[in-house]
Order: sequence, then structure tokens, then C-alpha cells
Amino acid sequence: AQSVTQLDSQVPVFEEAPVELRCNYSSSVSVYLFWYVQYPNQGLQLLLKYLSGSTLVESINGFEAEFNKSQTSFHLRKPSVHISDTAEYFCAVSAGNQGGKLIFGQGTELSVKP
Amino acid sequence: GAGVSQSPRYKVAKRGQDVALRCDPISGHVSLFWYQQALGQGPEFLTYFQNEAQLDKSGLPSDRFFAERPEGSVSTLKIQRTQQEDSAVYLCASSKAIYEAFFGQGTRLTVV
Repeated sequence: AQSVTQLDSQVPVFEEAPVELRCNYSSSVSVYLFWYVQYPNQGLQLLLKYLSGSTLVESINGFEAEFNKSQTSFHLRKPSVHISDTAEYFCAVSAGNQGGKLIFGQGTELSVKP
Repeated sequence: GAGVSQSPRYKVAKRGQDVALRCDPISGHVSLFWYQQALGQGPEFLTYFQNEAQLDKSGLPSDRFFAERPEGSVSTLKIQRTQQEDSAVYLCASSKAIYEAFFGQGTRLTVV
């Protein structure tokens, strides 16, 4: 079985500051890793994913995440946040033999202040 | 359609009532998933369809929960004899390629 732990439930940060949202997972098999974002009153949107290849993956709006197999982590980072990044962020894993079923963490609420 | 559509967006049910939640996936998407998201929690897997076949229903919390997708497109999640602990947002997701799931906005169910 897989599980995901997001170490921070809330992360307040000032605009233009860097941010890191932490995610650790546990699994006895190889997994694929995802970050989803949920803006207020909206559905979940895929931010980025790691399936294979380069361990550093990037999104179109400046976020990046690095898959670290030895530390079983997939932390999300952004060097300079904007007010519009305020949202709930969910880390998720999926095992290769489960048809795409996702196991989510509890979520991290990112609050960007001016 | 342009995205995954769920209806109703909001549902208030009296305890003991039956409810039906509908999901219209993106046209052509083979896989369809249902998740339950309790307040302040991450989504939890309920069930998974590939076309009309329900391949995994391991997350359904009790036999009061039932899902179907008879023609491999629209899906309905039915909850019988609703209880207060069923109050949550129910999310539907569909995908064409594996690991490219698109989520609907969800149905917020409140059981009073």
C-alpha cells in the first residue's frame, strides 16, 4: 500500500518570497508522483508530475518538484510566489498496477500575503 | 464537453434519504474515478471504471455506496440511507491517457 504525508498543513509566505511545500511518500513498489492545485471553489488541476526520466520536473507557472528516491520525497518549490498562487496544494502517488488510482496527502494551504 | 461536469454542484439531504450524483466525463475518456473529500482532508479514492467495467471498488466505505457507468460514459454515484458522516465533496475525474486525470468541480453533499 502507498501513503503520502504532507508535512505542513498551512504555509504563509510573503509575495515574491521563495516557498517549499514538503511531500514524503511510502511505498513498497515503484510509484508515480503528482502535485495538484485547488483554487477556491474550483476543481483539482494537475500542476506537474513525475513518471520517469529527469527527476526534476517543472510546471508552466514556475513551480518545480524534484523526485528523491532515497529520501522518498517530492517537494514542490517556487523561487518567487505571487498572490495568485494562493491555493490548496495536494501531493499524490500512484502505483503502476492500479490503473491511475491516486493516493493523496492531506493538502497544504499556501497563503501568499502582499 | 470542455471538461468534466458534475451535477448537482450542491446537495442537501436529510439523514436516511437516498442521493444520486452524476458525472459527465470528457468525451472519449476511457477511465473514470470517484473520490470523496472530507472537509480539510485530501481526496480519498472510492472507485474506478474502465469503460463500463468497474475494475476497483475497494474504496467504497459501505454497501450503501454504489456506482455505475452502464454505457461507458456518464457515471452515477448513489448513496443509500445517507448518514451525517457521508457529508463531503464528491469528486469525479476522467482520463484518456493514464496519469492524466482531469477533475470536475465536485458535488458538495451535506446530510442534515
